[in-house]
Amino acid sequence: DIVLTQSPLSLPVTPGEPASISCRSTESLLDSNGYNYLDWYLQKPGRSPQLLIYLGSDRASGVPDRFSGSGSGTDFTLKISRVEAEDVGVYYCMQTLQTPLTFGGGTRVEIK
Amino acid sequence: EVQLVESGGGLVKPGRSLRLSCTVSGFTSDDYLLTWFRQAPGKGLEWVGFIRGKIYGETTEYAASVKGRFTISRDDSRRVAYLQMNSLKVEDSGIYYCTRAPGPGKLPGFLDFDYWGQGTLVTVSS
Repeated sequence: DIVLTQSPLSLPVTPGEPASISCRSTESLLDSNGYNYLDWYLQKPGRSPQLLIYLGSDRASGVPDRFSGSGSGTDFTLKISRVEAEDVGVYYCMQTLQTPLTFGGGTRVEIK
Repeated sequence: EVQLVESGGGLVKPGRSLRLSCTVSGFTSDDYLLTWFRQAPGKGLEWVGFIRGKIYGETTEYAASVKGRFTISRDDSRRVAYLQMNSLKVEDSGIYYCTRAPGPGKLPGFLDFDYWGQGTLVTVSS
């Protein structure tokens, strides 16, 4: 199984400041067609997960442009350019290269 | 409006069975991949399994932790997907979410899990 490791576990942030989350994979998520099969989800408190970023760097519909994804192969990063209060929650990376679909352990973003 | 609504959760003893339902509305589910995820209390997300649409053979795939005990099925005429859970274990406790993605669910591939249900809580305890 592909193991995804996120860091940090917890990320206290000041509104208006940037934030960055790392996701590392035990196997390359880059396919021969040039796509990276790595998605980012946000689970707000008490809510179901919502898709933020797919294929490593494409923003899902309706996601603010302060969210961006980058990386390739085994190393990926989610960046929030200016954190807002509504961005609190747990962020997960997930791979769709193969089954079983697997998630990182999550990064909890909270406001300082 | 697209909706997925899970039901059927509850308290069950180890070794017993439970069937969850995912009732969909607002879209034609026939060619959507219907997927179950779960989340143990205070823990992260875990994929349980999925079922492909009828036009893709209604094939299923499961996580190793549930394979042989859980079965996913669908009845598109009733707009429902099911998760039959047998031989339940304490570690199966958690919130179970149903979600959809268009297309055949072929991997590697982008699975656009754009709509999720609110989840249903399963507690396995003696």
